[in-house]
Amino acid sequence: AQSVTQPDIHITVSEGASLELRCNYSYGATPYLFWYVQSPGQGLQLLLKYFSGDTLVQGIKGFEAEFKRSQSSFNLRKPSVHWSDAAEYFCAVGNTDKLIFGTGTRLQVFP
Amino acid sequence: GAGVSQSPSNKVTEKGKDVELRCDPISGHTALYWYRQSLGQGLEFLIYFQGNSAPDKSGLPSDRFSAERTGGSVSTLTIQRTQQEDSAVYLCASRRDRGPEETQYFGPGTRLLVL
Repeated sequence: AQSVTQPDIHITVSEGASLELRCNYSYGATPYLFWYVQSPGQGLQLLLKYFSGDTLVQGIKGFEAEFKRSQSSFNLRKPSVHWSDAAEYFCAVGNTDKLIFGTGTRLQVFP
Repeated sequence: GAGVSQSPSNKVTEKGKDVELRCDPISGHTALYWYRQSLGQGLEFLIYFQGNSAPDKSGLPSDRFSAERTGGSVSTLTIQRTQQEDSAVYLCASRRDRGPEETQYFGPGTRLLVL
């Protein structure tokens, strides 16, 4: 069955600290992988996506993610978190038709 | 250009009533998606349109849920005889084409509360 697991429901970091949000997937074919961010009261915004090629992908707002096929993971990272990064982050796997989302990780940033 | 818009932004209804939720995709986008976001459940796929046809309705939770798309543009999600468990945020997304490289752009959602 196709699924996405985000094991961390809630993460708290200090501003300026590094960040890694975990994502594991189960998918029968070559996965297309995505990270979206949802700020309070707003829709989802695409941070980055992976289809093929270089396994380290760069996204907007200084985020990057690394695809590791052997671990079925697509973890999101940022070297230095800003207070404005506080939001909910969703990992998703998909194909041509639909996306399968994880349950999300809520990021809280302390000054 | 304008993004995906949804209306209403909030809807409160009584159990047993019917509701209609509207999605206006980005102009020219041929693919349209409905998702449901329930508390603690993440986003759940409901239905996908390519043009006016719906090749994948597999996510609709019951026959009380239906959706249509007309003119390859606006889509309406209808929930009949609403139940309290239908309370959620309903998100619409559109994509320029069916290709996997194309990004899904999401609207702000309609927050539905069934009393």
